[in-house]
Amino acid sequence: DSGVTQTPKHLITATGQRVTLRCSPRSGDLSVYWYQQSLDQGLQFLIQYYNGEERAKGNILERFSAQQFPDLHSELNLSSLELGDSALYFCASSVGQGPETQYFGPGTRLLVL
Amino acid sequence: AQSVTQPDIHITVSEGASLELRCNYSYGATPYLFWYVQSPGQGLQLLLKYFSGDTLVQGIKGFEAEFKRSQSSFNLRKPSVHWSDAAEYFCAVGAEQAGTALIFGKGTTLSVSS
Repeated sequence: DSGVTQTPKHLITATGQRVTLRCSPRSGDLSVYWYQQSLDQGLQFLIQYYNGEERAKGNILERFSAQQFPDLHSELNLSSLELGDSALYFCASSVGQGPETQYFGPGTRLLVL
Repeated sequence: AQSVTQPDIHITVSEGASLELRCNYSYGATPYLFWYVQSPGQGLQLLLKYFSGDTLVQGIKGFEAEFKRSQSSFNLRKPSVHWSDAAEYFCAVGAEQAGTALIFGKGTTLSVSS
């Protein structure tokens, strides 16, 4: 158990819909990262927040957005969902901002029908 | 741009045999290197990491990895594989230019035969 929690574990929805994935980092960690894992793209970095502020952006679509709240939990919002958004979404956390160990949550498996 | 290559998509090893999973990276500066393992339906668990210092690093579950700057490699090894080691293994590099995100290889799936 990494100490990072993600809810829900599974999510099934339809194209065009909007979903919210939630992540709670390890106690004391200020950085939260979101990654998408798909069969064709592998593990890809989406976005990072540090202490409530956006720190870095990766291959995140405009239909996707995230935020980190004062209690440091984070939410990833996916809208206008397409079939290709079906994937495993991981949240990871680390203590600071620099290159360091990231601890991963169990993931949310999203299926868009 | 930074990249990580894991040349072997799938490897099968007999239980008790030794294991080496290959990882090559492309990175301009001194890299921060990681190996993670993912069991089916699970998240990623950190096996070991290299930031600096001794180029041979020890990790959990009996794994070790050696950083070779001249070869841009960070191969993962285990002297004797157990059936429970069957999983997918990911090599990753810390990428300064993308904030502090990790860039992952495509992964190597390890099967263990009895």
